[in-house]
Amino acid sequence: AQSVTQLGSHVSVSEGALVLLRCNYSSSVPPYLFWYVQYPNQGLQLLLKYTSAATLVKGINGFEAEFKKSETSFHLTKPSAHMSDAAEYFCAVSDQGTSYGKLTFGQGTILTVHP
Amino acid sequence: DAGVTQSPTHLIKTRGQQVTLRCSPKSGHDTVSWYQQALGQGPQFIFQYYEEEERQRGNFPDRFSGHQFPNYSSELNVNALLLGDSALYLCASIGQGYEQYFGPGTRLTVT
Repeated sequence: AQSVTQLGSHVSVSEGALVLLRCNYSSSVPPYLFWYVQYPNQGLQLLLKYTSAATLVKGINGFEAEFKKSETSFHLTKPSAHMSDAAEYFCAVSDQGTSYGKLTFGQGTILTVHP
Repeated sequence: DAGVTQSPTHLIKTRGQQVTLRCSPKSGHDTVSWYQQALGQGPQFIFQYYEEEERQRGNFPDRFSGHQFPNYSSELNVNALLLGDSALYLCASIGQGYEQYFGPGTRLTVT
């Protein structure tokens, strides 16, 4: 079975500050890992994905994440927060055993950005 | 290029009733997954359809059923609605590179 733990249900940063959202996963097989963003009353938008290529993955809107197998982590970072980054962020894992694996999501982290 | 579309946007039903939600995948995508997102929670996988067959299923009761049509669109049916079925229901279509593209969701309220 796979699982995802997102440390911190709420993260608050100032505009221009570093954003760090933490994600740890558990998987008995090599994982694919994803970060999604959800704005209020909207669906999920893919920020970035790790599918066993480069361990440092760059996504949209200046976000990036690093896959660390030894730490079973896939933390999301952005050097400088913008007001428009305020949203809920979800980390998700699927297995590499099938081409269309189901996604297992974490509980989400709400990011607040202060002026 | 149209993305994933879902209908209706919002729905209010009474306990015990039945509901059907609809999803049209992104052009060229033949696989559809359904997720339930309760308030304040991450999405939970319900099931996945490919070639008009249910390929995978999550831990949801048989009250939840689905269908996929030859044009790859899909329906989610929920029978005997419970208050706990109130949630945002998300449809995702799956393309190359293991990416799942999500629709805007259907907000179901059961009273």
